[in-house]
Amino acid sequence: QVRLVESGGGVVQPGRSLRLSCVVSGFTFSDYEVHWVRQAPGKGLEWVAVASPAQTIKIYSDSVRGRFTISRDNSKNTLYLQMNSLGPEDTAVYYCAKDLQPGAPDYFDYWGQGTMVTVSS
Amino acid sequence: EVVLTQSPGTLSLSPGERATLSCRASQTIANNYLAWYRQRPGQAPRLLIYGASRRATGIPDRFSGSGSGTDFTLTINRLEPEDFAVYYCQYYGGSPLITFGQGTRLEIK
Repeated sequence: QVRLVESGGGVVQPGRSLRLSCVVSGFTFSDYEVHWVRQAPGKGLEWVAVASPAQTIKIYSDSVRGRFTISRDNSKNTLYLQMNSLGPEDTAVYYCAKDLQPGAPDYFDYWGQGTMVTVSS
Repeated sequence: EVVLTQSPGTLSLSPGERATLSCRASQTIANNYLAWYRQRPGQAPRLLIYGASRRATGIPDRFSGSGSGTDFTLTINRLEPEDFAVYYCQYYGGSPLITFGQGTRLEIK
């Protein structure tokens, strides 16, 4: 069955960096876009970033562009999110989420369980 | 930038009743690129409806989506205990690529 498992979260000081990973299984990773979506404590969902399967296209939200970098290793079925210059506003549960269909509008049919990132001194 | 406004913020109903949730866009949503998700406490969201009215795999027909243009509705018939959760609408397209509404909390009356 389809699984997405995030890791790499934790407590980090403001201004520092963190790299998240999302290991997927149960589908052909190299065919699908997989996104990062975050949710601050007690708040709603916020889309963060996506990379196309060949990484020719990378798109970011305004709130993370220039600080975060999304990448993927199709040979390892893994999606990454390198987060630099972290601030308290980045505190959230970070989910990876799979597209419903390749090449179609981006809706998310499978999600990981999330990994918590806390930015605090 | 498309802004999605969901209403009401909180909806209080009893099991067995019908819930009607609204999602209004600040601009016309092309091609009905709109989805609905349910998020239970401590869980990841689950896709319910995409393309405004298409049920995702495994979603019972108690759930239906409708609307076009700027006004979209999620209707849940015969509410069951597991339906009491937070619901989000989501738009695909434009900039940012993906936008979520702020959510509607469906609580037990």
